[in-house]
Amino acid sequence: AQKITQTQPGMFVQEKEAVTLDCTYDTSDQSYGLFWYKQPSSGEMIFLIYQGSYDEQNATEGRYSLNFQKARKSANLVISASQLGDSAMYFCAMREEGVTGGGNKLTFGTGTQLKVEL
Amino acid sequence: DAMVIQNPRYQVTQFGKPVTLSCSQTLNHNVMYWYQQKSSQAPKLLFHYYDKDFNNEADTPDNFQSRRPNTSFCFLDIRSPGLGDAAMYLCATSTQARYEQYFGPGTRLTVT
Repeated sequence: AQKITQTQPGMFVQEKEAVTLDCTYDTSDQSYGLFWYKQPSSGEMIFLIYQGSYDEQNATEGRYSLNFQKARKSANLVISASQLGDSAMYFCAMREEGVTGGGNKLTFGTGTQLKVEL
Repeated sequence: DAMVIQNPRYQVTQFGKPVTLSCSQTLNHNVMYWYQQKSSQAPKLLFHYYDKDFNNEADTPDNFQSRRPNTSFCFLDIRSPGLGDAAMYLCATSTQARYEQYFGPGTRLTVT
């Protein structure tokens, strides 16, 4: 069974600073994918970034980058130049291979609450 | 803009009174998902549709049912809500070609 671990229940960062949110995973699959989602207090889950297990380069999307270390089974999210609007819950998730009936099943971690301060 | 829409955003129902939550999408994605997210917890997949094919998670209670009358719409029916069913219910969509799922704003269900 797949498992996602996020060990930081809460993080604080000052505006304009960079912050790293930790994520480790466990799977026996050779092919898998890792995601980060942002959930503001309004509730909507916003897709940020995706990393495939066979991707040789770390994924980047604007101010977001994913520090993928396959041997250590970690997929940390780095947010550069933090903004007040980055304050939200952040979830790491893994895509499960071979889901019955098609589709992509996501297993989520417990999340990290990020607060950006002035 | 193409999007995933959930109605209503807030729903209050009485213990044991059936309730239906609605999800629609303009993305024309063939896969639709329903997640339950209880307070301070991670979202948990209840079931998903791949086109018209329904796929239930093994641990989803029988109290939860779903319908997908067409590509655009998907409904979550809770036949006899209990106090433990109070949660945020999130609808998401994806295609088979890409892995990311696109979520709606959620419906927050309160059971009194």
